[in-house]
This record gives sequence, C-alpha cells and structure tokens, in this order.
Amino acid sequence: GDSVTQMEGPVTLSEEAFLTINCTYTATGYPSLFWYVQYPGEGLQLLLKATKADDKGSNKGFEATYRKETTSFHLEKGSVQVSDSAVYFCALKAGSNDYKLSFGAGTTVTVRA
Amino acid sequence: NAGVTQTPKFQVLKTGQSMTLQCAQDMNHEYMSWYRQDPGMGLRLIHYSVGAGITDQGEVPNGYNVSRSTTEDFPLRLLSAAPSQTSVYFCASSRTGGTGELFFGEGSRLTVL
Repeated sequence: GDSVTQMEGPVTLSEEAFLTINCTYTATGYPSLFWYVQYPGEGLQLLLKATKADDKGSNKGFEATYRKETTSFHLEKGSVQVSDSAVYFCALKAGSNDYKLSFGAGTTVTVRA
Repeated sequence: NAGVTQTPKFQVLKTGQSMTLQCAQDMNHEYMSWYRQDPGMGLRLIHYSVGAGITDQGEVPNGYNVSRSTTEDFPLRLLSAAPSQTSVYFCASSRTGGTGELFFGEGSRLTVL
C-alpha cells in the first residue's frame, strides 16, 4: 500500500546551520504530499504541502519539492533557529477521493544556540 | 477560535477499565479521524469518518470503537483498556473537498497500568 519513509533522527544542529530531512514515498497513483510539524506539547500543524509533481511547497523558510522521478519530498531550511526545534512528519494522501493521511515515523530536530 | 478540541488531556487507567476520549470540531468538517502516536512509529490511523453516521477502520482498530452521530463530535471508546494502548491520541479533521490538510487537536495522553 501507500507509505512514507523518512530519515531517522534525532538530528542535532547549531543555530544557522542547514537542515535537510529526507522523505521518500511509495504510491500507486498521484498522491499529495505534506510536511507537518509538532512543537513540544502540542498537536501537529501543517508546515507545507505539494499536490502535484514539481510543485514546491514553502513556509517559514522551509521548502520541499515534489519529485516524481525520485519519489521524494525532502524538507530543507537554509538557516535554522532554536525555535525550529520540533518533530517533523512527512505525510501522503493517496488521491483526491481519499481523505486519509499516511505518516512517516517522524524526525526529531534539536537546534542549539 | 476553538478548532479541534480533545478531552481529557491526560488519563490514567487500570487494565480492563473502559473510557471515552472526546473530540469536537467547530469547522463543519466532514472528515474526522483518530490517530495514535507511539515513539518511532509515527502516527497510525485507528478509525475515521467521512460524515455523520459513517465510520470505518484504519490501520490499528482493534480494541477501539467509534461513532459519529453529529458532524461535530467523534468520540473514541476503549472498551477494555490494555497496557498496549498506552499512547498519545490525536483527533484530526478536514474538509472532504479540500487539499487534505488535517487540523489536529492537542492530544490526549493515556497511560494504562
């Protein structure tokens, strides 16, 4: 079935470092792809999304490009801040008539001052 | 500005006890779902609903029941709690006609002794 695999953490970075979190997917059709973020003690919230191949989602300095040829949706940020410390989840929605999201295992990111 | 509201936030149960986790949303979303979050496993779908009177099973439905008598409410019932159900539970909702963005509650942390 449809699934998402993301890099394991935890990831520890210094402030202003470059962040990449890898995400690859398996899907039979044309899924929509998402990155969600969970700050400590909170629920998940949408960070960015892309609904078709070559789309780039962006928000709060984060970017991810939907690459159909490599079935990937890697998350990047050029200069992280302490406030970016969180758990990041890659997620997939299989099709327009399917409302369920499948999530990756999550990657814990800690940014040190 | 309530969004998705879950209660209780914390609960401790003994093995064999039953309880209900409440979830309510005020966004008139048709789709509602319950996930459990366990370390290293991401979020796994328990049950979901695409409208009042309609429910279906997700990946890990055993030991849980749901009902959807109104658009707003989607309670999750544990019939006979087991230690394996110790987890953080999230309720999430979305519009069925949208791009699939899920709106999450803040979570309910359940411990079964």
